[in-house]
Order: sequence, then structure tokens, then C-alpha cells
Amino acid sequence: DTAVSQTPKYLVTQMGNDKSIKCEQNLGHDTMYWYKQDSKKFLKIMFSYNNKELIINETVPNRFSPKSPDKAHLNLHINSLELGDSAVYFCASSQGSQGFLTYEQYFGPGTRLTVT
Amino acid sequence: EDKVVQSPLSLVVHEGDTVTLNCSYEVTNFRSLLWYKQEKKAPTFLFMLTSSGIEKKSGRLSSILDKKELFSILNITATQTGDSAVYLCAVERRIESWGKLQFGAGTQVVVTP
Repeated sequence: DTAVSQTPKYLVTQMGNDKSIKCEQNLGHDTMYWYKQDSKKFLKIMFSYNNKELIINETVPNRFSPKSPDKAHLNLHINSLELGDSAVYFCASSQGSQGFLTYEQYFGPGTRLTVT
Repeated sequence: EDKVVQSPLSLVVHEGDTVTLNCSYEVTNFRSLLWYKQEKKAPTFLFMLTSSGIEKKSGRLSSILDKKELFSILNITATQTGDSAVYLCAVERRIESWGKLQFGAGTQVVVTP
């Protein structure tokens, strides 16, 4: 069974369109994340949710809107796509990171978004 | 400014060689340092280090953290072609009561037969 899954795996779309990426984890984790990996392979945090609540919101254009309907799902909606949004988007989950406890993050397979 | 710097950026070795990868960091509110291996797709977790001087081992891989000098090394002994990947170092920073990972640029390792 896949622990962290994302759909779709590939997404090719034109500038100006709106698209969504879905993420699900079956690990029973409390915390989920969205990362962007650009062409230079740098992985950068975008958002983090804990039990459906937003806890980390990096400096990301407000065209990006995450939504967590429950703690096993974290979706990413992107409005008015731009060329610079082309990247691989990774979802991740962890048992949590609150207080003194810290746990490793498990990553999904990624969604390669190409904006033309 | 917080930073995580990995070196070298890339290297090519022959099967059987030993590889040492470096990760130095300057971050506020350090909580832990993690190593990941990334082949074609998702980064896969290797180690989490929170205490100085305690080596973590998994098969041919090992890692150690020095919190005084602010660096970590990842060693791979008796390398195999399957070790070819990008190795990512990430430092977890404490943000209020939560943790946030900051990744380095990665080290591309190519193991030739």
C-alpha cells in the first residue's frame, strides 16, 4: 500500500488555467506538507497543516491555496498558472512536530507540473 | 540568514569506493538534521540526528552530527551502483511550537561499475 500518494503524477496545462493536485496519506499522521522542487532541485516548504489547521504558510503567491478536508488529505489548488509555477510538487506527512517531539517526514511521489 | 550548505555538489566514484558527504548549517532554533536519498522521484528518509557525536548506522550508510561545529557527514562505504542518487540534507528549525525543514541543494552521487 502506498503511504503518501499524489494525483496526478503529471500535469501539463496552459498559462492562466486553474489546476488542483491531491494528496492522501494512510499512515495516520497528523501533519502534512506541500513542497516545491524547482529545476535546480531545491526543495522548499510551501505549507504545513496539522489536524486540518494551517501551521506554516511560507511566502507563496496567494494564487496557491491549500485545503485540508481531513487530516489524511491535503490538496493544493493553483489559480492563474504562470510559467514559473513549472516544478515538481511534493506532498509529505509526518507524525507531527509539535513541542519537543520531532519525527521524520515521508514524501509522496511528486506531481510534475508543466505550464506552457 | 538561515542556510544549509552541502558539499560537494556532485561526485563520481567507482563501485567499492567510500563516499563522504558534508552538510554544514547556520540556522536559528535548530531541532534536528535529516538525510534523505532522492533517486528519480520522492526523497526517501535515511537518518534523523538530534544529538552530537552519536553515529547512526544503517547497513553501509552512517551519519554523525556535530552541533558545536554545525555540520553533519554522511558516509557510504563499499558503494554500489544502486547508491547513485541525490543526497539531501535538511535541517529542522523550530518555528513557535512546530518544526520546519530547510533543505540544502543536495549532492549528486554517481557510482560507476
